[in-house]
Amino acid sequence: DIQMTQSPSSVSASVGDRVTITCRASQGVSSWLAWYQQKPGKAPRLLIYAASSLQSGVPLRFSGSGSGTDFTLTINSLQPEDFATYYCQQANSFPRTFGQGTKLEIK
Amino acid sequence: EVQLLDSGGGLVQPGGSQRLSCAASGFIFSSYAISWVRQAPGKGLEWVSAVSGSGGTTYYADSVKGRFTISRDNSKNTLYLQMNSLRVEDAAIYYCAKSREAAVAGNWFDSWGQGTLVTVSS
Repeated sequence: DIQMTQSPSSVSASVGDRVTITCRASQGVSSWLAWYQQKPGKAPRLLIYAASSLQSGVPLRFSGSGSGTDFTLTINSLQPEDFATYYCQQANSFPRTFGQGTKLEIK
Repeated sequence: EVQLLDSGGGLVQPGGSQRLSCAASGFIFSSYAISWVRQAPGKGLEWVSAVSGSGGTTYYADSVKGRFTISRDNSKNTLYLQMNSLRVEDAAIYYCAKSREAAVAGNWFDSWGQGTLVTVSS
């Protein structure tokens, strides 16, 4: 199975900040990577797919990059509604696997 | 509008069985692979199983292989997860999740149900 490791596990930031979350795969997944946002009590929301493609309806301040084993999710100019937990997920092979999550908290 | 409605959760004893359902609307159900993804209380996301649009191809996590069976009824636009030999560690919120593209296996998930809670306890 492909292991997905996110860092950091948690991060504190302020409204207006720029935040970067990283995701590392235990083996290459090409661009078969997605990012999700989850708020408490809610289902996850797809933000980025194919490593860098923005899902419809997702604000442009979200962006993704990377390929192979190393990926990043960047959020520019943090807004209050962005404070949530973020997960990466590989779709290169089965079983699909998620990172452990990164909790983005208000500083 | 795409809608997925999960149901069937509840309290079950270890070793017991439960069947989850996911009723879909707003898209051509038979064209899309659908997955089940679970989340134990306070924990991260775990992919459980997927089924192709036709229902002919299925995939499972090792943790549930041989105990869970995914299926779908395209005439009813409904997905199922039959869970047998349930363990305490299977307790979680179970979400059905629609694949973004109409690919056989399904890659990433653009629509999710609201989740249904399965509690496994004696």
